[in-house]
Amino acid sequence: QKEVEQDPGPLSVPEGAIVSLNCTYSNSAFQYFMWYRQYSRKGPELLMYTYSSGNKEDGRFTAQVDKSSKYISLFIRDSQPSDSATYLCAMKLVWGTSYGKLTFGQGTILTVHP
Amino acid sequence: KAGVTQTPRYLIKTRGQQVTLSCSPISGHRSVSWYQQTPGQGLQFLFEYFSETQRNKGNFPGRFSGRQFSNSRSEMNVSTLELGDSALYLCASSRDSEKSTQYFGPGTRLTVL
Repeated sequence: QKEVEQDPGPLSVPEGAIVSLNCTYSNSAFQYFMWYRQYSRKGPELLMYTYSSGNKEDGRFTAQVDKSSKYISLFIRDSQPSDSATYLCAMKLVWGTSYGKLTFGQGTILTVHP
Repeated sequence: KAGVTQTPRYLIKTRGQQVTLSCSPISGHRSVSWYQQTPGQGLQFLFEYFSETQRNKGNFPGRFSGRQFSNSRSEMNVSTLELGDSALYLCASSRDSEKSTQYFGPGTRLTVL
């Protein structure tokens, strides 16, 4: 079993829809949670970075962390065709235990059609 | 501020050869991490360097190695290439990998024939 599970999709939605992307994890030592967006032939781009359980909002993006359920989500409101990309969740262990290592989900391919 | 740069962007090699990839971090960033991305395995951590020292290493064979220079630029080397080494190799930089987020470069696409 992978440490981080993410539904690879693909996910296809109409423009303006609310998108929900999710990851589950098995290691309770993960303390830092990130969402990256990766366009084709590009490197991952950081979207959200959270530490505590709860919600964090940035524009049309909301990241949600539930440490008790080992579950994180990314919501995209008013989705746009430019949001079409692969979305990767990533997690990091507590400070000082695993330098530099992010553990990634498999990525969800999202297509927003006009 | 310039982002993370990686050279070359594309590379084609044959089995048995070796290859060196280069990464220049964001100015002021001292930590560089390397990842391998494949369709089957996704993004997997290779190793991390900070102040010219390797602090962490992933589960890859010894054919994969790296180093970091005093200006924080980093190189990774893969010797005796295998077909399965075909992948997108990404480097990410951060000020301090423990406290700050990682910013990725565009990657080097390696094809092994």
